[in-house]
Amino acid sequence: QQQVKQSPQSLIVQKGGISIINCAYENTAFDYFPWYQQFPGKGPALLIAIRPDVSEKKEGRFTISFNKSAKQFSLHIMDSQPGDSATYFCAARGLTGGGNKLTFGTGTQLKVEL
Amino acid sequence: KAGVTQTPRYLIKTRGQQVTLSCSPISGHRSVSWYQQTPGQGLQFLFEYFSETQRNKGNFPGRFSGRQFSNSRSEMNVSTLELGDSALYLCASSPTTGFGTDTQYFGPGTRLTVL
Repeated sequence: QQQVKQSPQSLIVQKGGISIINCAYENTAFDYFPWYQQFPGKGPALLIAIRPDVSEKKEGRFTISFNKSAKQFSLHIMDSQPGDSATYFCAARGLTGGGNKLTFGTGTQLKVEL
Repeated sequence: KAGVTQTPRYLIKTRGQQVTLSCSPISGHRSVSWYQQTPGQGLQFLFEYFSETQRNKGNFPGRFSGRQFSNSRSEMNVSTLELGDSALYLCASSPTTGFGTDTQYFGPGTRLTVL
């Protein structure tokens, strides 16, 4: 079954803290795992992405950790800022060359408080 | 480069009508995918077009259809609208159809309200 489970549904973090969002998948054919950030009234914007042959990828304050054997991956936002308050979606793409269908997690509403 | 553009941004229709949404991908991108976003179902894949051919299709009724033109622009059509079709419809473009680190870039969406 092509599902991506995301947790938590909502998250409140203090400014400067670390935000952690977790995702788990079932289909081992997924080959690409992007994270998107969405602000109200806007379309999702690509944040960072990883392939399953890499265990960690870091871009600025954002890091993806990937555990292929456990079929889990997570997003860490270091030094969280109020401007990071948004909804975050993990996603997974099917077989390489098999098209661009993304299966999304249910989203995490992040609020960063001062 | 200009991003993905979608028109119109907002649309109000009544049940039974049909609607056409338009998407212009990022220049050079040949793949266009459509997604429906609702509070209850989240982000769901509708279909993907690549080089004017439907590449993938999600689990939506036949009332949802699309097409792609030779310049990669895409349209999505929903016939016989139902109240449950009220949603944000998102278009995403990508250079190719799912190779390597090709990433999909989303437009701002069209907010469809069915009364």
